[in-house]
Amino acid sequence: DAKTTQPPSMDCAEGRAANLPCNHSTISGNEYVYWYRQIHSQGPQYIIHGLKNNETNEMASLIITEDRKSSTLILPHATLRDTAVYYCIVRPNTDKLIFGTGTRLQVFP
Amino acid sequence: DVKVTQSSRYLVKRTGEKVFLECVQDMDHENMFWYRQDPGLGLRLIYFSYDVKMKEKGDIPEGYSVSREKKERFSLILESASTNQTSMYLCASSLGGSGAYEQYFGPGTRLTVT
Repeated sequence: DAKTTQPPSMDCAEGRAANLPCNHSTISGNEYVYWYRQIHSQGPQYIIHGLKNNETNEMASLIITEDRKSSTLILPHATLRDTAVYYCIVRPNTDKLIFGTGTRLQVFP
Repeated sequence: DVKVTQSSRYLVKRTGEKVFLECVQDMDHENMFWYRQDPGLGLRLIYFSYDVKMKEKGDIPEGYSVSREKKERFSLILESASTNQTSMYLCASSLGGSGAYEQYFGPGTRLTVT
């Protein structure tokens, strides 16, 4: 499975867009990019995933570069409840997930 | 809503005890997983199961076993608990087959072995 690199922490003002980057330069053609988050003392929560194209759902948008070596998760209007650790994971279409240490996003008022 | 439940949120056991952690999902998912989470190490896969009575080792299976007698239930067993098994244990489930399926996680069980 491809390795991912994320900044250890980020801050974002409430109401602003939070843009969380992820580098995955060794990604293979059949590997998907997944994003999960974990709010303190809870289990991880699925956010979004994509292969090549940009994706959007009710929670977030996922922007994948054309060469697929990096991606950005966008929370368009961050709220205090979005404070969490965000994990970027790349894997083929099997179920095994490998979690790194993620980005700790702090949303402040 | 997908629901994955775990038998306990907090558990305290003594060294050498046999420990059972239970996980139940209500979405008829084929796949179930057990992870442990430790500070600085992220989530690590212990065991997973693609079907009833089937199991496969993850990255850190030593000291653990699992049981899947029914589709909705996946149990993690610590045969003889040790202090280095103090951790947060997370269960997850997902649809089976090929395709990119998300995993749904339970709330976690924080196990302390003294």
